[in-house]
Amino acid sequence: QSVLTQPPSASGTPGQRVTISCSGSSSNIGSKTVYWHQHVPGTAPKLLIYSNNQRPSGVPDRFSGSKSGTSASLAISGLQSADEAVYYCATWDDSLNGVVFGGGTKLTVL
Amino acid sequence: EVQLLESGGGLVRPGESLRLSCGASGFIFEAYAMSWVRQAPGKGLEWVSSISSDGFSTIFADSVKGRFTISRSTNTIYLQMNRLRGEDTAVYYCAKEEGSESSHSIHYWGQGTLVTVSS
Repeated sequence: QSVLTQPPSASGTPGQRVTISCSGSSSNIGSKTVYWHQHVPGTAPKLLIYSNNQRPSGVPDRFSGSKSGTSASLAISGLQSADEAVYYCATWDDSLNGVVFGGGTKLTVL
Repeated sequence: EVQLLESGGGLVRPGESLRLSCGASGFIFEAYAMSWVRQAPGKGLEWVSSISSDGFSTIFADSVKGRFTISRSTNTIYLQMNRLRGEDTAVYYCAKEEGSESSHSIHYWGQGTLVTVSS
């Protein structure tokens, strides 16, 4: 049972916009920044979004992040087949004194 | 270019020990905190441990506290895993953080090394 709650799956057709949610509490998302990582099985995970809504260089602006209260969201617009991956939110938890990840959302491009 | 290369994974029996290494290059190693994150088969990512840039501050997930230690030397971090259990079976990823203190600011990941604990 992950501290951060994500839907286990999401899907969309090429060109569509999809949103993945991440729900936490006041001890984590409510007081800390949120990171999003993309993981294609068998490869190294990759940072997509840091500090709630910042994109590292090289990440397309099709990817965007937001945070409100104790929840955060990752939006992917102009969906592409290459976006098929598992997406994880992550932050710090003051109660656990450690990093916490969401359970991951597997994105399928139909 | 930041590069992180894990090594040391393998098959061990329950109760045995194993030491993982992560060689780092492409950045000023002494300036950044580093972490280990694992992924058990069919499961999601789980943070394991972090170490500050100067090596003096270390933190651990409750699931490994008292069994695992983390350390660092020149351009390398280590994860010493003792009293291994079946539930420690996972791919272990090395990760670089964006600051000098341990936090959730992972910006780069390695390819991972597989640890299998089985009799």
